[in-house]
Amino acid sequence: DGGITQSPKYLFRKEGQNVTLSCEQNLNHDAMYWYRQDPGQGLRLIYYSQIVNDFQKGDIAEGYSVSREKKESFPLTVTSAQKNPTAFYLCASSIGPLGTQYFGPGTRLTVL
Amino acid sequence: SQQGEEDPQALSIQEGENATMNCSYKTSINNLQWYRQNSGRGLVHLILIRSNEREKHSGRLRVTLDTSKKSSSLLITASRAADTASYFCATDADAGNMLTFGGGTRLMVKP
Repeated sequence: DGGITQSPKYLFRKEGQNVTLSCEQNLNHDAMYWYRQDPGQGLRLIYYSQIVNDFQKGDIAEGYSVSREKKESFPLTVTSAQKNPTAFYLCASSIGPLGTQYFGPGTRLTVL
Repeated sequence: SQQGEEDPQALSIQEGENATMNCSYKTSINNLQWYRQNSGRGLVHLILIRSNEREKHSGRLRVTLDTSKKSSSLLITASRAADTASYFCATDADAGNMLTFGGGTRLMVKP
């Protein structure tokens, strides 16, 4: 069953803690992306990676970090430097940077 | 910065009516894509239209592209309650190498 998965579905964090959101794909896609979505809003690009061991900042990278050590995996760490991390986080992948993007089900992060 | 902007931001119609959503963008593009998002879920790709195409159909969906006006429209015919979702356009600016998503149109279809 091919697809893109995210875990966990819901995540609660105390202020000052770092948390890592998982994103895995078995579509053999080179490109992967992380987006943030606030209620009633569109998607804002946090980070993207077009190939293993390479990634680029998006529009709102401050307070976030990523790694791309394997083609299938693109974890996102929300650090304590992110002042307002409560949001819905979406991961996506595509064959190339301008291709159709396939999205995971999302992780809803809440800071307590 | 957003390349595509959807209009209207919200739309409420009765089941059976047609729903039209528009997307405007700023720079020339290679292609434009439409996505759908059910509440609390990931986005699902609906249709892609290339810059040299003017109209494309997929089931009850009809997408048009007017590159002279830098705009696209998504028409859903004979809407159903299950069409209730947010709809986003995504564009690739000619000089860029990334898709940029608009703010979305929230469609509610009342049974």
